[in-house]
Amino acid sequence: QVQLQESGPGLVKPSQTLSLTCTVSGGSISSGSYYWSWIRQPAGKGLEWIGRIYTSGSTNYNPSLKSRVTISVDTSKNQFSLKLSSVTAADTAVYYCARDSSHGEGLNYWGQGTLVTVSS
Amino acid sequence: SYELTQPPSVSVSPGQTARITCSGDALPKQYAYWYQQKPGQAPVLVIYKDSERPSGIPERFSGSSSGTTVTLTISGVQAEDEADYYCQSADSSGTYGVFGGGTKLTVL
Repeated sequence: QVQLQESGPGLVKPSQTLSLTCTVSGGSISSGSYYWSWIRQPAGKGLEWIGRIYTSGSTNYNPSLKSRVTISVDTSKNQFSLKLSSVTAADTAVYYCARDSSHGEGLNYWGQGTLVTVSS
Repeated sequence: SYELTQPPSVSVSPGQTARITCSGDALPKQYAYWYQQKPGQAPVLVIYKDSERPSGIPERFSGSSSGTTVTLTISGVQAEDEADYYCQSADSSGTYGVFGGGTKLTVL
């Protein structure tokens, strides 16, 4: 059974870079045809798709965040990461990592989510 | 950028049928997915590829597609189905993903 776990600072100062890591267990991040994705959810609001990285390393980003987002993968640690630069209070949210299938099976494995607050 | 539109809320009595719609211009070209989210929990996939149901999801959950609208149907709604439901799809070229605004299902 695949499991995902987000980790990283829970508090980030405005204008700094938010960095989160998702550790995958129960399977190799480099095997199969999967997209490793990030999604966020501000308190009381809906889900926002941030971006994803394919097993090959290619990436796709939300156009509204593209200039500030970088998603990368570390196969040696079975992890993938999110970096969001120049953060503001509007970036305060629960951040989820999830696995998406390239065969159209959807985001069928999610982490529990981690709250990141942007505040000085 | 591309948007998916859902009604903010739907209310039904136990045992009735709930229908939640999601509209978007690219839905004829891209699959839709539905997620259920209960308070304090991560979303759970309940429908993929417009109408397929993952293993472990009750048969009362079904999905359909017609033109630019997809619909999640919950037949014989139970109290435990009260949750927020989100549709998800991709832009017309499949370059990036997008979620609908979410629908709060209330079981009266």
